[in-house]
Amino acid sequence: DAMVIQNPRYQVTQFGKPVTLSCSQTLNHNVMYWYQQKSSQAPKLLFHYYDKDFNNEADTPDNFQSRRPNTSFCFLDIRSPGLGDAAMYLCATSRGAGASSYEQYFGPGTRLTVT
Amino acid sequence: AQSVTQLDSQVPVFEEAPVELRCNYSSSVSVYLFWYVQYPNQGLQLLLKYLSGSTLVKGINGFEAEFNKSQTSFHLRKPSVHISDTAEYFCAVIISYNTDKLIFGTGTRLQVFP
Repeated sequence: DAMVIQNPRYQVTQFGKPVTLSCSQTLNHNVMYWYQQKSSQAPKLLFHYYDKDFNNEADTPDNFQSRRPNTSFCFLDIRSPGLGDAAMYLCATSRGAGASSYEQYFGPGTRLTVT
Repeated sequence: AQSVTQLDSQVPVFEEAPVELRCNYSSSVSVYLFWYVQYPNQGLQLLLKYLSGSTLVKGINGFEAEFNKSQTSFHLRKPSVHISDTAEYFCAVIISYNTDKLIFGTGTRLQVFP
């Protein structure tokens, strides 16, 4: 089945130690998104890629970076994690503008713990 | 600015009872409307969507929603809930001129009791 895959599902890192979360998709979608979701809150968009074009949200901290080396993969890098960065990180994809559905397809998420 | 309001942060209900989760939006332009469900420690799954056409939309798991343009609402309903429907439900909109960005409501926690 076509899907969005996130690895690992659970990640523990130390305060200040860089960490990378990964996302891959078999849907061949143009757009890939990274969301941060804290407990009992709605997902908050960090940034998205439309093909290779990177779109950063204005309030996304510089501590968060992203890479999309090809259509299938997208990475979230947290350069110096703080305790406040502990959250669920969700990857999503969509076909992009001009498509008929606009639906976003979500991966299962990576729960990040910062110790 | 566009926004989505889910007035009820929690909705407790007994099994087999009907339920309605409320969603209102504000936008001066056309929108596309979605309901997503999130089970514990999982990603979001699309329940249903309204893009155009019939204002009554049927989704998965027996859920349906009705788009009401005059009231700017998109309430989610199910005539008889199951224990397995216990989850977080998010209403979301896409603005017609920025179709890459979902705007989420704050979510409603549906708790179904036996």
